[in-house]
Amino acid sequence: NAGVTQTPKFRILKIGQSMTLQCTQDMNHNYMYWYRQDPGMGLKLIYYSVGAGITDKGEVPNGYNVSRSTTEDFPLRLELAAPSQTSVYFCATQRQDVLEQYFGPGTRLTVT
Amino acid sequence: AQSVAQPEDQVNVAEGNPLTVKCTYSVSGNPYLFWYVQYPNRGLQFLLKYITGDNLVKGSYGFEAEFNKSQTSFHLKKPSALVSDSALYFCAVRDWNYGGSQGNLIFGKGTKLSVKP
Repeated sequence: NAGVTQTPKFRILKIGQSMTLQCTQDMNHNYMYWYRQDPGMGLKLIYYSVGAGITDKGEVPNGYNVSRSTTEDFPLRLELAAPSQTSVYFCATQRQDVLEQYFGPGTRLTVT
Repeated sequence: AQSVAQPEDQVNVAEGNPLTVKCTYSVSGNPYLFWYVQYPNRGLQFLLKYITGDNLVKGSYGFEAEFNKSQTSFHLKKPSALVSDSALYFCAVRDWNYGGSQGNLIFGKGTKLSVKP
C-alpha cells in the first residue's frame, strides 16, 4: 500500500516550457487535491477533484490544468512555465467524511 | 472567510521540556481544526483534529491540542519534547469555499520547531 505517490521528485524547467506532475493513489479515495507550498507560506489550493471525471478550481488555478480520468490518477499540467510557478507541489487525497487529508511527498519545481 | 494564524515562525525547546506551538483561528460557524507535521523533504502528516466534543484532543506521537473557543485558539502541546519532534508544524481549518461537500483546508504559515538535546 503505497498511499500517495508523486513524480518527479525534482524538476528544473525553462520559462515557457510545459510539464505534467503526476499523482497516483491506491487508497480508493474520491477526493484529490493539488496544493503549492511557497517558502514561509502555508499551502495554497490549486485544483481539486471530488471524483473521476470531476475537477474544479481552487484558490490559485491560473497557469495550471488538471484532469481526472480515473480514481487513482490526478495529474497537474503546467503550460508555459513562469518563474512564479517555482514552488513545491503537493498532491493530497481524502476519503469522504473522514476529513483528514493524506499527502504525497511533493515535487520541487524550479522555473528559470 | 476562514483563516488561521501561527504567530511564531520558530519555537526552540530543550529536549525533555514541554512544548507549545500556537494557533489562533477565525471562522464563521463551528471550526474544524487540524494539526499537521512536515519533516524535511516529506509531505505533510496528519497529527490530530478537533471537530466537536472534548476540548483536549489527543493525537499521534504523544501530541495533544487544546481547543479554546473564547480565545479562538487551538494550541499544539507535548509534555516532553524529543529531538525527533523537530519539524515544521502547520495548523489548518476546514474551509467551505472549495472542495465540494468536503471542503478544503486553509493552512497557517507554519512554525518551525527545534528541539535541542
